[in-house]
Amino acid sequence: DGGITQSPKYLFRKEGQNVTLSCEQNLNHDAMYWYRQDPGQGLRLIYYSQIVNDFQKGDIAEGYSVSREKKESFPLTVTSAQKNPTAFYLCASSIDNGRALPDTQYFGPGTRLTVL
Amino acid sequence: EDQVTQSPEALRLQEGESSSLNCSYTVSGLRGLFWYRQDPGKGPEFLFTLYSAGEEKEKERLKATLTKKESFLHITAPKPEDSATYLCAVLYNFNKFYFGSGTKLNVKP
Repeated sequence: DGGITQSPKYLFRKEGQNVTLSCEQNLNHDAMYWYRQDPGQGLRLIYYSQIVNDFQKGDIAEGYSVSREKKESFPLTVTSAQKNPTAFYLCASSIDNGRALPDTQYFGPGTRLTVL
Repeated sequence: EDQVTQSPEALRLQEGESSSLNCSYTVSGLRGLFWYRQDPGKGPEFLFTLYSAGEEKEKERLKATLTKKESFLHITAPKPEDSATYLCAVLYNFNKFYFGSGTKLNVKP
């Protein structure tokens, strides 16, 4: 089955620790994204990547880092510099082949991160 | 300044009671508008993409429409299984999607 997987589903972090959230897709999509979702708010873009070995900051990149070494994988590291990391994190992907009409984003199941 | 505003924040319907959800946007140069359904604790599930004013898409009890300033998601004769949060997103810049905060729909039997 094609799709996007995220792991773990639940993650607990102690203050001062870095943690890495996994996102893998087998849809052969070029673009991948990380969003953060807080109660009562819309999804906010953290980072996105249009191609391997390239990525751009979104609206709330401070305290986060990413890498894109493989087309299928786009891990997100939540560093100790992120002041309020407790949230639901969503990974998404889309085809990005330069066509005139933008393609839909498809989402993974999410990772809920809680800081203890 | 909010790019995307959804209303109402919450909507409670009786089974069979049709209604509409609104998504208004302030950005110019819209490249696409997207509707998603999200169940609690899960990732958003894609419903529709609309590209230009006047366009309509339908799927089962749902119908999405688009004007130059807003989109509506019409729900006809809803069932309890339609209960979810419905998210709207707009794309106006290359690969940057802006999401509304969603409408939480509760359909009572």
